[in-house]
Amino acid sequence: DAGVIQSPRHEVTEMGQEVTLRCKPISGHNSLFWYRQTMMRGLELLIYFNNNVPIDDSGMPEDRFSAKMPNASFSTLKIQPSEPRDSAVYFCASSLGVKRGNTGELFFGEGSRLTVL
Amino acid sequence: QQQVKQSPQSLIVQKGGISIINCAYENTAFDYFPWYQQFPGKGPALLIAIRPDVSEKKEGRFTISFNKSAKQFSLHIMDSQPGDSATYFCAAHRNAGNMLTFGGGTRLMVKP
Repeated sequence: DAGVIQSPRHEVTEMGQEVTLRCKPISGHNSLFWYRQTMMRGLELLIYFNNNVPIDDSGMPEDRFSAKMPNASFSTLKIQPSEPRDSAVYFCASSLGVKRGNTGELFFGEGSRLTVL
Repeated sequence: QQQVKQSPQSLIVQKGGISIINCAYENTAFDYFPWYQQFPGKGPALLIAIRPDVSEKKEGRFTISFNKSAKQFSLHIMDSQPGDSATYFCAAHRNAGNMLTFGGGTRLMVKP
């Protein structure tokens, strides 16, 4: 299994530009998570999907952020317009989802490092 | 609201020493407590985990100690090696919500 695949690995953009981050979860996993990691705030959960449906988006910072999961094998996180304070590493993770006895183990991608100038 | 508090933020240990990282949680609904290890440029990966019905779990040089009454748990790395240098995150899971709440992370450096 290839694991969770994220693209791009690195993105440098200018303030005001639109940024789209992409994620392919592990096949068979029905939960998908987007996290943001910074030195100051650690790992923050942005949004969580179960069976392609957004369950909890309370971590999305503001309306500039949006996430979609059109099918079980693809998700996007979009920032429009981007700002320098959005600079961070964005991780996508997937898991088997809500099942009795499930440990909820998350499998993370290698992250997308975003720099907004 | 930080539901899982982790300390210390950073830790330097000599090779062969014991590394100890502590976490405390607030929500008694948590039912599973994993530790994740993250190397630079990589995503976090599950290292070891424990359920609240046991007080200790050991896997090789890594041990979790769990104190349910105090709502605390800790990771002990015995005979620490330079290859253990990484960031460690404790976490707590609620099956009802299928969400992990992470601690703030501890950056461990093991000096040769």
